[in-house]
Order: sequence, then structure tokens, then C-alpha cells
Amino acid sequence: QKEVEQDPGPLSVPEGAIVSLNCTYSNSAFQYFMWYRQYSRKGPELLMYTYSSGNKEDGRFTAQVDKSSKYISLFIRDSQPSDSATYLCAMHTGGFKTIFGAGTRLFVKA
Amino acid sequence: ETGVTQSPTHLIKTRGQQVTLRCSSQSGHNTVSWYQQALGQGPQFIFQYYREEENGRGNFPPRFSGLQFPNYSSELNVNALELDDSALYLCASTKGGGTGELFFGEGSRLTVL
Repeated sequence: QKEVEQDPGPLSVPEGAIVSLNCTYSNSAFQYFMWYRQYSRKGPELLMYTYSSGNKEDGRFTAQVDKSSKYISLFIRDSQPSDSATYLCAMHTGGFKTIFGAGTRLFVKA
Repeated sequence: ETGVTQSPTHLIKTRGQQVTLRCSSQSGHNTVSWYQQALGQGPQFIFQYYREEENGRGNFPPRFSGLQFPNYSSELNVNALELDDSALYLCASTKGGGTGELFFGEGSRLTVL
């Protein structure tokens, strides 16, 4: 079993839709949770960084962490074609290694 | 502020050869991590360097080795290349030891034939 599970998609939505992306994990020691966005042929860029359980909002993006269920989510409101990318969840215990999910490919159709 | 830069961007090698990939960390960052990203997969941690010392290592064989220089730039060396080494190699820098917000470069895409 992988430490972090993420549905690879692809996920295709119309412009303006609310997008929900999710990951599950098995290691209860994870304390820090992140979402990265990766455009084709580019390196990942950090979107959201949260500590422990709870919600965090930044513009159209909301990250949720439920440590009791070992489940994290990223919501994108009013999705735009420019949001089309691969979204990677990531997490770590505070040490030197970040564990990434496989990434979900998102397509937002105009 | 200068971001993370990697070179070369693309390269092709044959099985058994050796390769060196280079990374300049973001200004003010003293920690560099290397990740391997196979097609359709998430990045996999190779190792991290902090103040010129290897600070941690993932499940990669010893033929993957690295260096960090006094200016915090870094190299990843891979010996005896195998076909499965074909991947995007990502360098990420951050402040301090450990891990936090990773700032990635655009990667070096290695193809092994």
C-alpha cells in the first residue's frame, strides 16, 4: 500500500465549476499537508500549505485536512481554463522527506 | 529574487553511462532536495543536502550520489544508468534543514536508451 493515494484522473469539468481533489494517506505521523500545481513540462509550484487538521482558504482555493479520517481535499471555485494542470498532494512529518501523491490531471473546458 | 535553476533541461544517454545534473538554489536557501518524477507519477525523494552534508536519503541505490557546494548549489550524479532511470529530475530548495515549502526548478528530463 502506498503511503499517499491519489486518483490520477483525468478530471474534466466545464469552466466555472467547483473542483474537488482528494488524497488519502496511511501514516498518522504526517503533520504538514500541501497541494502543488504542476503545468506540463514545468516543476511543481506550491498552492497551499497547512498544518494539522482544519481548513485554509486562499482566493479561489480551499484546503481541508481531516486527520481522523486521514483524508485531505483541495477545492477550486469558479474554475478557469488556466487551472488545467496536474495537482499533487504532498505531506511530511516535519523531517527531511516530503511524500507526494501520483497527481490528478485536471482539464477545465472553456 | 533568483529562483531555482537546473541544467541541462533535456539530455539523452545510453544504458551504462553516467550523468551529472546541476541545480542552483533560490537566493537565501541553504537546503537542496532532489526528486525523481517518472511519467504519470508524483516526485519521489532521492536525497537532501543541508550545509554541504547529506541530510537524508530515500530508497535509491548508491549509484545515485550528490554534492552541495559552499554557495548551496548542488549536483546529482547517477552512475551505470538503467532504462528505468528515464524520468524528470527535480531540484527543490528551502530554508533551513528539514522540509517545508519546497521551491522547485523546472527539472532535467533524462532519457536513457
